[in-house]
Amino acid sequence: DVKVTQSSRYLVKRTGEKVFLECVQDMDHENMFWYRQDPGLGLRLIYFSYDVKMKEKGDIPEGYSVSREKKERFSLILESASTNQTSMYLCASSSVQGLNTEAFFGQGTRLTVV
Amino acid sequence: DQQVKQNSPSLSVQEGRISILNCDYTNSMFDYFLWYKKYPAEGPTFLISISSIKDKNEDGRFTVFLNKSAKHLSLHIVPSQPGDSAVYFCAASALYSGGGADGLTFGKGTHLIIQP
Repeated sequence: DVKVTQSSRYLVKRTGEKVFLECVQDMDHENMFWYRQDPGLGLRLIYFSYDVKMKEKGDIPEGYSVSREKKERFSLILESASTNQTSMYLCASSSVQGLNTEAFFGQGTRLTVV
Repeated sequence: DQQVKQNSPSLSVQEGRISILNCDYTNSMFDYFLWYKKYPAEGPTFLISISSIKDKNEDGRFTVFLNKSAKHLSLHIVPSQPGDSAVYFCAASALYSGGGADGLTFGKGTHLIIQP
């Protein structure tokens, strides 16, 4: 059974704090992604990675950074959390192998910045 | 500019009837399309996909139709069941043209409500 696990379901952080969101997948997938979901805006891509130590900006990278030191782990970092980063954060992974490469999502992290 | 559009924020359907969710896209490089279902406080789960070489794909109660010339796809659920109440996201990728690693582009979602 495929699995993408995010370290926290709910987080509350203060403005200005450095925040780490961790994601681990056990499917040996090459690609990993971080999205945020906001009401009325759907899922928006923050960053993605197609290999260890490789990272690419998505549509809304401002205020975020990522780290991928191991194939199975992809971390999202909020350097200095702000209230407009309150959101649902979703990690996903996918494979480059085969014809059908749907992304598998973690359960999400609901982050509230106060 | 939004490349994947779901113009209906919500849709209400009676149990047992057909639910039809629509999605339009603008990027002609997209060649792989997916539908995801999402319950509150959970991650999206994959439902069904279709590549641009097909115009229909069926999996049980779920069928996706693709009209490439109109850049339109739709998800049909029949018969609709109470457990189908969720937000449905349409997503697209330029998978076969080399864009697969760039992630999926999602629509804003349609909240499907199945009424008893």
